Amino acid sequence: QVQLVESGGGVVQPGRSLRLSCAASGFTFSSYAMHWVRQAPGKGLEWVAVISYDGRNKHYADSVKGRFSISRDNSKNTLYLQMNSLRTEEAAVYYCARGDIVGAILPFDSWGQGTLVTVSS
Amino acid sequence: DIQMTQSPSSLSASVGDRVTITCRASQGISNYLAWYQQKPGKVPNLLIYAASTLQSGVPSRFSGSGSGTDFTLTISSLQPEDVATYYCQEYNIAPQTFGQGTKVEIK
Repeated sequence: QVQLVESGGGVVQPGRSLRLSCAASGFTFSSYAMHWVRQAPGKGLEWVAVISYDGRNKHYADSVKGRFSISRDNSKNTLYLQMNSLRTEEAAVYYCARGDIVGAILPFDSWGQGTLVTVSS
Repeated sequence: DIQMTQSPSSLSASVGDRVTITCRASQGISNYLAWYQQKPGKVPNLLIYAASTLQSGVPSRFSGSGSGTDFTLTISSLQPEDVATYYCQEYNIAPQTFGQGTKVEIK
């Protein structure tokens, strides 16, 4: 079955960096676009970034553009999110989610359990 | 960017009631509209995609409708296990924006 497992969350000071990982299994990872979505405590879902199946195309929310970088290693079935210059308001649970397959536009049908990022001095 | 606006932001209804949540897109999105359910402390779960297609395993009391800019999620007979926050999402073009959520409670 499809499984997405995030890791890399933790406590980080404002202005510092953190890299999240999402290990995928149970499907052909290299055929799917992948997303990062975050949810601050008590708040709604916020889309963060997407990367195409081959890693060539990337898009970011305006709020993270220039500071966050999404990437993937299809040989390792792993998605990444490099987060630089973190802000206190970016404390959230970060989810990875599966998106489009090659040739079809799909909703987010599988989600990881999330990894908690705390930004605090 | 496309903005997604849900209403109401919260509602309280009795078991067995029909519940309707609306979602409006700031521009036409065809039928690239999904609904997600997030129970307290849990991961979001896809309920409906393509505006009206029920995801496998989702109870038939859930239904979706709409196209273009106006969409609706309906729960035909509210059950205690439906207590959750529901989100709509445009999933065609980045940013794949979510609505702000509708919290559903039992009266």
